[in-house]
Amino acid sequence: AQSVAQPEDQVNVAEGNPLTVKCTYSVSGNPYLFWYVQYPNRGLQFLLKYITGDNLVKGSYGFEAEFNKSQTSFHLKKPSALVSDSALYFCAVDPRNTGFQKLVFGTGTRLLVSP
Amino acid sequence: GAGVSQSPRYKVAKRGQDVALRCDPISGHVSLFWYQQALGQGPEFLTYFQNEAQLDKSGLPSDRFFAERPEGSVSTLKIQRTQQEDSAVYLCASSLSWVAGGPGELFFGEGSRLTVL
Repeated sequence: AQSVAQPEDQVNVAEGNPLTVKCTYSVSGNPYLFWYVQYPNRGLQFLLKYITGDNLVKGSYGFEAEFNKSQTSFHLKKPSALVSDSALYFCAVDPRNTGFQKLVFGTGTRLLVSP
Repeated sequence: GAGVSQSPRYKVAKRGQDVALRCDPISGHVSLFWYQQALGQGPEFLTYFQNEAQLDKSGLPSDRFFAERPEGSVSTLKIQRTQQEDSAVYLCASSLSWVAGGPGELFFGEGSRLTVL
């Protein structure tokens, strides 16, 4: 079965420190990979996506993610965290087996950046 | 505004009542999705429309759930005879099918939170 795992319910980091939010997936083939962020009382917002090519993709708000095919991982990273980055982050996979973008989401990781 | 709009934002229903949740997608977006997000979980796919055609409804939990998009724009998700397990946030998203460099990103509404008592 297709699945996405976000092993950490919460990640705590001090402002200015680098952050990593982990994501692994279990999907056959060459899926598309995404990160979305959810701020309180706001809809999910797109951060970045991996389609093909360079394993390091850059997205909004200084975030980047590293695709590792052998480890089936797509970890989200940022060199220097901001308090305003505190939010709920979702990793998602499009297995590409339906002809449209049918995303499978992880359970989310809450990022808390302390001042 | 230019984003995806959902209404109502909050709905409390008694068990057995019917509810209707509305989604106004971004103008020009041919793709429309409904997702269900239970408390503490990630969104789960319910159904997909391309214009007015419902191309995938494999995620609808039961035949009590029905979605439509008759004119290829506004969509309604209807839940008949609501049960407590239907309590969740229902998310609508729209997108362009394809953009330069790959699939278009999904633009989500703020969701409709349904509580069934």
